[in-house]
Amino acid sequence: QSAPTQPPSASGSPGQSVTISCTGTSSDVGGYNFVSWYQHHPGKAPKVLIYEVNKRPSGVPDRFSGSKSGNTASLTVSGLQAEDEADYYCCSFAGSNSGWVFGGGTKLTVL
Amino acid sequence: ETQLEESGGGLVQPGGSLRLSCAVSGFIFSDYSMNWVRQAPGKGLEWLSYITRDGSGMIYVDSVKGRFTISRDNAKGSLYLQMNSLRVEDTAVYYCVRDYNYAFDIWGQGTMVTVSS
Repeated sequence: QSAPTQPPSASGSPGQSVTISCTGTSSDVGGYNFVSWYQHHPGKAPKVLIYEVNKRPSGVPDRFSGSKSGNTASLTVSGLQAEDEADYYCCSFAGSNSGWVFGGGTKLTVL
Repeated sequence: ETQLEESGGGLVQPGGSLRLSCAVSGFIFSDYSMNWVRQAPGKGLEWLSYITRDGSGMIYVDSVKGRFTISRDNAKGSLYLQMNSLRVEDTAVYYCVRDYNYAFDIWGQGTMVTVSS
């Protein structure tokens, strides 16, 4: 089972928006509405930003939004801030025999 | 405060064994399924294993099937990962993670496992 594909890097200036894609298959991203996104600052525990494709846990700013079309999920970060610079990972449920699969990760740089 | 605290990491030789533990606090442990996730140095996150609330069901990623065993003790509020036949490529930070609606909402700080001769 291979990992969903994410671009290795993305960047934007403060105040801009950036979208990170996560392309999987019909066995994971396309097959379930259980895509989640995580923000990971090195040395700290990852933090969930989005679950079930487009739901935000309490406390996550509405600058973070998720969507999905076919086998590709997307995370959009609007109004970029310096503290958004981090690694971002998508994750999809892949069935009760396979469990979950993380994307390869995207390093977001705020210019 | 909801917390997960891993322990048991360390240095082990290839072929050796380690048992990781995760102590939870701040929530009713038996109400949640749990997972282990790892991150190798310079690599991305990798989901490893899942266990149901009552411990009756488990799922593993192919790379650890037959070598790792997830378990839990609801009375003690603890999650475990027994790791046998360890390989150099198992070197990673191991995270204990709470399941919420097929996502991972609470993470521990992680424990480092180094497999080296």
